[in-house]
Amino acid sequence: EAAVTQSPRNKVAVTGGKVTLSCNQTNNHNNMYWYRQDTGHGLRLIHYSYGAGSTEKGDIPDGYKASRPSQENFSLILELATPSQTSVYFCASGEEDTQYFGPGTRLLVL
Amino acid sequence: GDKVKQSPSALSLQEGTNSALRCNFSIAATTVQWFLQNPRGSLINLFYLVPGTKENGRLKSAFDSKESYSTLHIRDAQLEDSGTYFCAAEPSNNRIFFGDGTQLVVKP
Repeated sequence: EAAVTQSPRNKVAVTGGKVTLSCNQTNNHNNMYWYRQDTGHGLRLIHYSYGAGSTEKGDIPDGYKASRPSQENFSLILELATPSQTSVYFCASGEEDTQYFGPGTRLLVL
Repeated sequence: GDKVKQSPSALSLQEGTNSALRCNFSIAATTVQWFLQNPRGSLINLFYLVPGTKENGRLKSAFDSKESYSTLHIRDAQLEDSGTYFCAAEPSNNRIFFGDGTQLVVKP
């Protein structure tokens, strides 16, 4: 049974619209992360969290907000989506030793 | 990424051969992780390393923190090894920087 799940798996949004990407983990990990992956590149960290109620900026936080309402859930919010945010988004949970990734969400902003 | 450089960027192997992937860091990494992104896009953990070596089946990885590099050796490459291999360096707690990946194709 998958320990990190993401929803939706695919999303088409319009420019200026609001998009919320959800992530749920059953690993009971304190740390959770949101990354984006663009074609031909590795993952870049957008936001992360140390636990419920905590959100921290990663390397490319502009245009994104995050919310960690509980240990299990971590959301990424695009208040005003732009075409440059078209990408594949990965959520991960982790502790000290490694990170476990969700299956990814493909977002297309038209 | 600019903090983590992977080489080669792409690699084609004949089934049954061996090869090595390399990761150079411009940051003081304390730990290194290697991942495989399979053709379906899923990210699979391969290794988590402090300085030293680890081996798992046909894969072996080494991390030299003083020289700021890590290697991933693939022995007896199989078709299912195809995908993109990412290394990621962690300089401090909870932050991790990824390289741009090595695209590996194993041919029969």
